Amino acid sequence: NAGVTQTPKFRVLKTGQSMTLLCAQDMNHEYMYWYRQDPGMGLRLIHYSVGEGTTAKGEVPDGYNVSRLKKQNFLLGLESAAPSQTSVYFCASSSGETQYFGPGTRLLVL
Amino acid sequence: SQKIEQNSEALNIQEGKTATLTCNYTNYSPAYLQWYRQDPGRGPVFLLLIRENEKEKRKERLKVTFDTTLKQSLFHITASQPADSATYLCALVTTDSWGKLQFGAGTQVVVTP
Repeated sequence: NAGVTQTPKFRVLKTGQSMTLLCAQDMNHEYMYWYRQDPGMGLRLIHYSVGEGTTAKGEVPDGYNVSRLKKQNFLLGLESAAPSQTSVYFCASSSGETQYFGPGTRLLVL
Repeated sequence: SQKIEQNSEALNIQEGKTATLTCNYTNYSPAYLQWYRQDPGRGPVFLLLIRENEKEKRKERLKVTFDTTLKQSLFHITASQPADSATYLCALVTTDSWGKLQFGAGTQVVVTP
């Protein structure tokens, strides 16, 4: 059981480039989430999904898009990266109240 | 505005002592509150959940209290060990936010031998 995995672990982008972060879970959870974590701030919810084929906006959705084509995968896309999107991104999954987090993706936008 | 506040200063404590962390919130109607542990370079790991109608929860050396009148949760680590050194996050779920967690920024705990 790998739990929640994220790829890549680290990425450097130039302003304006695009990329996709992949999250995968093998716990058959319905709910999946994308957060960003910045120094001195709590984890902030970007987008979430309550099931395959569904997505919804969280607290800070601007500049990001998501897709949940398969139950086990949740993709986070940056269409045109900006320096303000430099952060650590965490994916989580849940079947109820407890969330299980991945190891994170560190993104640096220059 | 809605806020969840945790001490931003690191808590330095000697091995064997009890560490007490505070989580205060404003303008939320809580359904339940959770505590997570986060080690450097890793994702948060769930520790404990306490509901709004519960006063106290325990798990091994961990104890959580929840006072909805004071709008505060306390997190205690008894008989602390160097392995308890980490950042501890509180997260609130409100009655109108479906299962979405609102996180505090976390408090770092450093346990010295």
